[in-house]
Amino acid sequence: LAKTTQPISMDSYEGQEVNITCSHNNIATNDYITWYQQFPSQGPRFIIQGYKTKVTNEVASLFIPADRKSSTLSLPRVSLSDTAVYYCLVDRGGSQGNLIFGKGTKLSVKP
Amino acid sequence: DTAVSQTPKYLVTQMGNDKSIKCEQNLGHDTMYWYKQDSKKFLKIMFSYNNKELIINETVPNRFSPKSPDKAHLNLHINSLELGDSAVYFCASGRTDTQYFGPGTRLTVL
Repeated sequence: LAKTTQPISMDSYEGQEVNITCSHNNIATNDYITWYQQFPSQGPRFIIQGYKTKVTNEVASLFIPADRKSSTLSLPRVSLSDTAVYYCLVDRGGSQGNLIFGKGTKLSVKP
Repeated sequence: DTAVSQTPKYLVTQMGNDKSIKCEQNLGHDTMYWYKQDSKKFLKIMFSYNNKELIINETVPNRFSPKSPDKAHLNLHINSLELGDSAVYFCASGRTDTQYFGPGTRLTVL
């Protein structure tokens, strides 16, 4: 079973900021929080990863509260090309073990 | 340069056949993975493998077997294909928390 819970779908309009929240109540001390993006007919693509507080890169920001039981992926000023499925995962990292994907959040950006 | 590549992109075959999907990564990663994404878009790990250990998801039928001729390749062999094997199969490499995925192979079993 996936260790995370996120909304099945979200709608937005071009130019808006989109925040997708993920719950991971049973996150372990050694787990990192990672988000992937998947476009139709493509493999998932790594977007951002964090452990606590805030992480920002050229694509998105990731907000993690102190208790780490949830996280929020923030996409600034989305465009039509951001329409995709976004997966939140928690994992301790390393080179072994199985990464468990949930069902993800299908983001639809409208003009 | 393609980091993780898979061939073929599409594979259509009859029930009962044996087929293989090839995967190559040029990222120098020690670990590679195979995933299955079914019609409901649920992405499920099948195997993770490095030169030391193969970890198999216990729900994967033994008709599926990974073969690794070297560190950069992890091929997926499927014997006695069934209708339910129709799906998109993704290869990936890297650490468990930071993986790079291939473009996928759409397998259709008729």
